[in-house]
Amino acid sequence: QSALTQPASVSGSPGQSITISCTGTSSDVGTYNLVSWYQQHPGKAPKVMISYVSKRPSGVSNRFSGSKSGNTASLTISGLQAEDEADYYCCSYGGSSTYVFGTGTKVTVL
Amino acid sequence: EVQLVESGGGLVQPGRSLRLSCAASGFTFENYAMHWVRQVPGKGLEWVSGISWKGGSTGYADSVKSRFTISRDNAKTSLYLQMNSLRTEDTALYYCAKDIGEVAFYYMDVWGKGTTVSVSS
Repeated sequence: QSALTQPASVSGSPGQSITISCTGTSSDVGTYNLVSWYQQHPGKAPKVMISYVSKRPSGVSNRFSGSKSGNTASLTISGLQAEDEADYYCCSYGGSSTYVFGTGTKVTVL
Repeated sequence: EVQLVESGGGLVQPGRSLRLSCAASGFTFENYAMHWVRQVPGKGLEWVSGISWKGGSTGYADSVKSRFTISRDNAKTSLYLQMNSLRTEDTALYYCAKDIGEVAFYYMDVWGKGTTVSVSS
C-alpha cells in the first residue's frame, strides 16, 4: 500500500495545457481501471474530477481528461484557468477492498 | 441535499481511544459503500478504511490495521470509525466519503467537511 507517485508541483499559464502523472504498480493502477482524480482547494473537501480512468462525472468541465498506460495514469487540464489552481490527487483501487491515493500535485496558474 | 456530517473528533492522549461518527442524509445510505479518508494539515490525502453496503467487506490501510475498526448502522444511516491505541501520527482531519459502488469500491463522489483528531500528551 505505498502511495502512488505524483509530481509535487506543476504550473502553466492561462490557456495552456498541463498534465499530471500518477505512477503506481501492477497491483493497483496497472491492474484496475478504477483510477479517479480529485481536486482540492484550500480548506475544502476533495471533489472528484475523473472516474474510471477517463470518465468525467456530471458537472465536471470537459477541460479535464484522464488516461492510463501501464502503471501510470495521467490527468490533463486543457485551457488552464485561474480557478484550476488547487491540489490534485489520483486514487486507485488497490485490491482487497482498499484504495491508495497519490502523493498530490499542487497546480499553479502563472 | 446529499450530506455527510462527521463528528466525534477531539484531543486525545496517545494510547487512548476515540470513536468517529458520520451522519448521512439525502440518499439511500444502505445502497452504498462508505469510507474514511484522513489528511494531516498541509499534507496529502490518505485512505483509511472502507466498508461495503451491508458491512460484509471491509478494508484498512496498513497504517491503521488492527487498531481501527470501521462499521455502519444502516438503520441509523451512520458510519463509524473506532480508533484504538491512537498515535501522534494519527493526528489529522478525518473525512467521511460515499462510494458510488455497493459491494465493490469504484470512486468517492460525496465528501463531508471532516472532523479533527489531535493525538497529543
